Amino acid sequence: NAGVTQTPKFQVLKTGQSMTLQCAQDMNHEYMSWYRQDPGMGLRLIHYSVGAGITDQGEVPNGYNVSRSTTEDFPLRLLSAAPSQTSVYFCASSGVAGNEQFFGPGTRLTVL
Amino acid sequence: AQSVTQLGSHVSVSEGALVLLRCNYSSSVPPYLFWYVQYPNQGLQLLLKYTTGATLVKGINGFEAEFKKSETSFHLTKPSAHMSDAAEYFCAVSNQAGTALIFGKGTTLSVSS
Repeated sequence: NAGVTQTPKFQVLKTGQSMTLQCAQDMNHEYMSWYRQDPGMGLRLIHYSVGAGITDQGEVPNGYNVSRSTTEDFPLRLLSAAPSQTSVYFCASSGVAGNEQFFGPGTRLTVL
Repeated sequence: AQSVTQLGSHVSVSEGALVLLRCNYSSSVPPYLFWYVQYPNQGLQLLLKYTTGATLVKGINGFEAEFKKSETSFHLTKPSAHMSDAAEYFCAVSNQAGTALIFGKGTTLSVSS
């Protein structure tokens, strides 16, 4: 099993550009989530999903969109990137409510 | 609402000394609690977790944590620090439905020889 995979590993955008961060898992997990990590702020929950077709907002959802058309994939979309979205983004999945989350390797995003 | 407070953004210990990283939580439901570690330029690795049952939880690399409901705490300890323990440590609590995590701001552990 590859576990949780994320692409790309690094990305540089200009303000106003759009892009999609990809996340996939091959563990047949129902729960998937996106976090951003900033120095001194820990990890903050952006959006999460409890199954195909079902998503919900986390702590810091503004500026990000998600959808979940399959169990395996959970892409994160930035419609109009801003410098405040410069961060490291982690995707995670879990198979059982209350169980640990398995994390991907992260995407380092810089918005100029 | 769920929240986590980690006391001390930076903790420094000598090799062989006791490691104590503090975590307090707030939860409107019985909590599921976790400690993750992140080594420099790497992803997150689960150290240990508390779901139900025994309140003293043992994890990897000699770490353990004790769930104290009366104090709403889940402090992480290790009897003897090693240089390889230098990393950032995150305490987390499950959201109400148990479908995602709410993290603390992290504690950076430095270990000196």
